[in-house]
Amino acid sequence: AQKITQTQPGMFVQEKEAVTLDCTYDTSDQSYGLFWYKQPSSGEMIFLIYQGSYDEQNATEGRYSLNFQKARKSANLVISASQLGDSAMYFCAMRVEVGGNTPLVFGKGTRLSVIA
Amino acid sequence: DGGITQSPKYLFRKEGQNVTLSCEQNLNHDAMYWYRQDPGQGLRLIYYSQIVNDFQKGDIAEGYSVSREKKESFPLTVTSAQKNPTAFYLCASSLTGLLAEAFFGQGTRLTVV
Repeated sequence: AQKITQTQPGMFVQEKEAVTLDCTYDTSDQSYGLFWYKQPSSGEMIFLIYQGSYDEQNATEGRYSLNFQKARKSANLVISASQLGDSAMYFCAMRVEVGGNTPLVFGKGTRLSVIA
Repeated sequence: DGGITQSPKYLFRKEGQNVTLSCEQNLNHDAMYWYRQDPGQGLRLIYYSQIVNDFQKGDIAEGYSVSREKKESFPLTVTSAQKNPTAFYLCASSLTGLLAEAFFGQGTRLTVV
């Protein structure tokens, strides 16, 4: 079974600073994908970035980058130049390749608060 | 515009009543999913469907039922057998593929009184 662990229930960051949200995963599958989602207080889930297990380069998407360390089984999200609008819950998720569209498995999330 | 529509946004029901949450997508996605979110618990999978007329139980399926008669629709029924149904329910859909992102609806907040 797959498992995602996010050990930081809450994080604070100063506006314009960078912040790293931790995510570790556990799976015996060799082929998998890792995802990050943002959930503002409105409740919608917003896709941010993904990384495939065979990708050698870390994924980047604007101010978001995914620090993928396969040997450590970690997939941390780095947000550069934090903005007040980044305050939200952030979820790490994983999908493994086992015969079709397996669902995403989510961690418990990290609440990020950006301080002016 | 393409997307996923969940309705209603807020739902109140008396204890012991069944209630059905609607989820419709016009993204032409084969796969659809239902998740439940409780404070501090993250998202937990209730049911998912990879194709029309087929669905599988997730981690917390007890007390819930689904149907997938059309590609666009995946309604979730919360039955009276669900012991603690008050929660935020999220529906999602995706294309086939390991790295296919899941698109989510706005969610339905169900409160049982």
